[in-house]
Amino acid sequence: DVKVTQSSRYLVKRTGEKVFLECVQDMDHENMFWYRQDPGLGLRLIYFSYDVKMKEKGDIPEGYSVSREKKERFSLILESASTNQTSMYLCASSARTIQRRDEQFFGPGTRLTVL
Amino acid sequence: AQRVTQPEKLLSVFKGAPVELKCNYSYSGSPELFWYVQYSRQRLQLLLRHISRESIKGFTADLNKGETSFHLKKPFAQEEDSAMYYCALSDRGSTLGRLYFGRGTQLTVWP
Repeated sequence: DVKVTQSSRYLVKRTGEKVFLECVQDMDHENMFWYRQDPGLGLRLIYFSYDVKMKEKGDIPEGYSVSREKKERFSLILESASTNQTSMYLCASSARTIQRRDEQFFGPGTRLTVL
Repeated sequence: AQRVTQPEKLLSVFKGAPVELKCNYSYSGSPELFWYVQYSRQRLQLLLRHISRESIKGFTADLNKGETSFHLKKPFAQEEDSAMYYCALSDRGSTLGRLYFGRGTQLTVWP
């Protein structure tokens, strides 16, 4: 059974704190993605990675950074959390092959609240 | 530029009624389109892709290139169809495997 796991389901942080969200996949996928999900705004891509140590900005990268030191792990970092980063964060992964890359497998999400 | 539009944020129907969730897209190349679904307290997952031309859980979706649409349809809605539905487009011109998602439609099927 394919699996994408995220380190926390719920997280509460204070404004200005550095926040790490971790994502691990066990499918040997090359591509990994971080989205935030907000009511009325849908899924917005923050960053994605198509290989170890490679990253690409998505549509809303401001205030975030990422790290991919190992193939199975993709971390999202909020350098200085702000209240407008309160959201549900979804991690996803997909294979690189043309035939399989369009199916993204999602984690359960981390609901982050910044006070 | 790629863009996916889902004009309805909320959609409610009664059980047994037909349902259609609308999706329109703009894309300069040859698109690949998908529907993803998220049931309550579950992960977002792929429902169907247009190239498969298959019916999943009674849902079908036809790509209409003339109208640039990919509407999701089911002739008889069930309560268990209540979920958030996202239309997504794949950028075939890119090697990176990115998807562009619409804003989603929350479907509620009343008993």
